[in-house]
Amino acid sequence: EPVLTQSPGTLSLSPGERATLSCRASQSVISSYLAWYQQKPGQAPRLLIYRASNRATGIPDRFIGSGSGTDFTLTISRLEPEDFAVYYCQQYGSSPLFIFGPGTRVDIK
Amino acid sequence: EVQLVESGGGLVQPGGSLRLSCAASGFTFSSYSMNWVRQAPGKGLEWVSYIDSSRPIIYNADSVKGRFTISRDNAKNSLFLQMNSLRVEDTAVYYCLRQGHHGEGDYWGQGTLVTVSS
Repeated sequence: EPVLTQSPGTLSLSPGERATLSCRASQSVISSYLAWYQQKPGQAPRLLIYRASNRATGIPDRFIGSGSGTDFTLTISRLEPEDFAVYYCQQYGSSPLFIFGPGTRVDIK
Repeated sequence: EVQLVESGGGLVQPGGSLRLSCAASGFTFSSYSMNWVRQAPGKGLEWVSYIDSSRPIIYNADSVKGRFTISRDNAKNSLFLQMNSLRVEDTAVYYCLRQGHHGEGDYWGQGTLVTVSS
């Protein structure tokens, strides 16, 4: 069964800084079907990036997705106060259908 | 505006049953595959079940096979999850989500909490 690994587990940064989040797949992700989500406490996850590098509707351009194969990155170019949250990557596969990474928490330093 | 509203969560004893519903609006429900994803308290996201937009194609996570059944009523724009033989480890917030065209969950409901406890 494919596994997604996210690093670091926690990232402590200040507003205005750049955040770089990593997602590594144990097997190559078919057609780069890799998505990123943001989740704040008490809220549902929100789609940020689909197919590795495409921003979802209404997502600011400071969120940048990149990568292919087994290595993917979410970059937040300049952190805004509302960006402090947990970020999950997700792979679309065959079995199981949706595979989520364990998440990276971005904390205020 | 796309909206997904879950209902039906609550407290149930181990071995009991519960039926979750998800009311969809703001899009052509019958054109989209749908999923249930859950999140145990303080934990990450776990995919539970998938149903195709119109064909009888269903997939389930191994953890719920034989116990949970996903279904939909396209005439009523509704998604369901029948949960039987519930276990303590099924305690979680259950989200319904619309599946986009590239394997992503592009819209999520607000979630409904299921607590399995004696």
